[in-house]
Amino acid sequence: GAVVSQHPSRVICKSGTSVKIECRSLDFQATTMFWYRQFPKQSLMLMATSNEGSKATYEQGVEKDKFLINHASLTLSTLTVTSAHPEDSSFYICSARGQENTEAFFGQGTRLTVV
Amino acid sequence: DAKTTQPPSMDCAEGRAANLPCNHSTISGNEYVYWYRQIHSQGPQYIIHGLKNNETNEMASLIITEDRKSSTLILPHATLRDTAVYYCIVRGPQAGTALIFGKGTTLSVSS
Repeated sequence: GAVVSQHPSRVICKSGTSVKIECRSLDFQATTMFWYRQFPKQSLMLMATSNEGSKATYEQGVEKDKFLINHASLTLSTLTVTSAHPEDSSFYICSARGQENTEAFFGQGTRLTVV
Repeated sequence: DAKTTQPPSMDCAEGRAANLPCNHSTISGNEYVYWYRQIHSQGPQYIIHGLKNNETNEMASLIITEDRKSSTLILPHATLRDTAVYYCIVRGPQAGTALIFGKGTTLSVSS
């Protein structure tokens, strides 16, 4: 299947700093990328949907000024957690879908810990 | 998107077939049934999907009832590495439609 690479896999940052997470589709062009968040023992929660070259669409309750999403090319999307706080500690997962594919593929996830 | 109902947990002996059920009684005509699984602390892994017909690939088989209101994912010979949370998701074909995850079924395979 198609490969989606997410980086970094783990990051620890101090409160108040910003963290950038990258998501790349390695062998296909991803017209749409999705960002999810997962807290311990819970399911994945969709945060936002982004299409290449346009602004992301955020789910209700997700602050767009705190979670900045950039989808500048057909193979790269980034999620920046700005002014991180301990409650932002979570497992962040990206997903990418190409125009020809009907299934979406997921990155390995990023474990963010804010101290 | 239509919602799905899955049992919270199932057990299976190694080497036996694991049959994971899913109810999606409100599925629309153009919505597909997708199955993903998530092994602890990893991103979800695509398994299989289908619209009406039964599907089989190297990982699993998907059996969809004729009325499309339910389906079963079959892992023919479960191994310990198949222990994971399995998600059944119904979604339309549009490229911009996200997968919405429910609670899934935690499958535990034991020797």
